Amino acid sequence: DQQVKQNSPSLSVQEGRISILNCDYTNSMFDYFLWYKKYPAEGPTFLISISSIKDKNEDGRFTVFLNKSAKHLSLHIVPSQPGDSAVYFCALVGGADGLTFGKGTHLIIQP
Amino acid sequence: DVKVTQSSRYLVKRTGEKVFLECVQDMDHENMFWYRQDPGLGLRLIYFSYDVKMKEKGDIPEGYSVSREKKERFSLILESASTNQTSMYLCASSRGQGLYSNQPQHFGDGTRLSIL
Repeated sequence: DQQVKQNSPSLSVQEGRISILNCDYTNSMFDYFLWYKKYPAEGPTFLISISSIKDKNEDGRFTVFLNKSAKHLSLHIVPSQPGDSAVYFCALVGGADGLTFGKGTHLIIQP
Repeated sequence: DVKVTQSSRYLVKRTGEKVFLECVQDMDHENMFWYRQDPGLGLRLIYFSYDVKMKEKGDIPEGYSVSREKKERFSLILESASTNQTSMYLCASSRGQGLYSNQPQHFGDGTRLSIL
């Protein structure tokens, strides 16, 4: 059974609007959460992270929200730009497996 | 900037061959990782290493082995390549100790391996 789910395989958003990427998890032992971005033919690059003692972390256009009671992590990108088109992975640290990646969401920014 | 370099971007091998994928990092990171990425399956951990000569199995180690003789280099070995090992292989490194490190991983650009 998947401990980490990114339920939307793809998401299409208009340029300038807000993109919201979601990640749900089942194990309350996760204590650190990261988002990575991946372009085709390149390796993933680290985007932003949050510790379980916080509920929000912001870095420029990117904000990560953590709702521990709902076991829900989200990444907000505002305003969305064409260069944001990529696959986004959440990665969770903690629990028995140590590190678990979601399967990814392909974000497409429409002009 | 951290640099993780994978020896080949594209590789084509035949079934039954022994295949070596090499990865080098230049930031003195303790941890190194090998993943494969397949459509719809995300990133799956094959093996990782938290120190020289140390290795731990990930989620899908079958058919693979690894070697870490020097801190900066982590090799993935396909003992006898099979067609179901056709995939994108990604190497990564990070600070800290093993899978519980909260330090971001730095990835190479990947090796697209095709087994014919």
